[in-house]
Amino acid sequence: GAVVSQHPSWVICKSGTSVKIECRSLDFQATTMFWYRQFPKQSLMLMATSNEGSKATYEQGVEKDKFLINHASLTLSTLTVTSAHPEDSSFYICSASTTSGAPSEQFFGPGTRLTVL
Amino acid sequence: GQNIDQPTEMTATEGAIVQINCTYQTSGFNGLFWYQQHAGEAPTFLSYNVLDGLEEKGRFSSFLSRSKGYSYLLLKELQMKDSASYLCAVIGSWGKLQFGAGTQVVVTP
Repeated sequence: GAVVSQHPSWVICKSGTSVKIECRSLDFQATTMFWYRQFPKQSLMLMATSNEGSKATYEQGVEKDKFLINHASLTLSTLTVTSAHPEDSSFYICSASTTSGAPSEQFFGPGTRLTVL
Repeated sequence: GQNIDQPTEMTATEGAIVQINCTYQTSGFNGLFWYQQHAGEAPTFLSYNVLDGLEEKGRFSSFLSRSKGYSYLLLKELQMKDSASYLCAVIGSWGKLQFGAGTQVVVTP
């Protein structure tokens, strides 16, 4: 159980275009989903936390107008990178947890590698 | 400020034991996770400690001392497939995970 999927697994796009990444919890309801970004040889950096039906909470330094997050249901969250630029090229990973505001295990998706040309 | 420190890289031979240390200073503490991450893949869960002491799970063990802000991950009987990055992560307020930079373990024949 506790499987999280991401789609697409990799994407290449031109500078200035927008890219949508989906994160789904396949066999459980995810009250909270997290979006991380990881640059090569660096650790995961939390970008934002989203709870179903409410606005995402962004970490300091993350532009909410550039990284749009929609947590429309208990099994789906999407991250849209708007007007992508080469510096946005990174490994984007989502995770999902079954509780909100309380410590619990996060289940990670397989990640999406974004390359912006 | 918040800080999670772990060594950048460790090398060990197959069959040996390696201990990866992690020290942390965070606002709020609700537990500490260790994850394994192979290059280009998502992290996979190894262990979770919330109380002081040692948790053993097969070849992997994890230790926590909350008073010292210290944890270690012990890998025994190393295998080539254990070559990966090992991430120490503290779960703080509101379920947020804060990750260390990761320790790259290289297992040599």
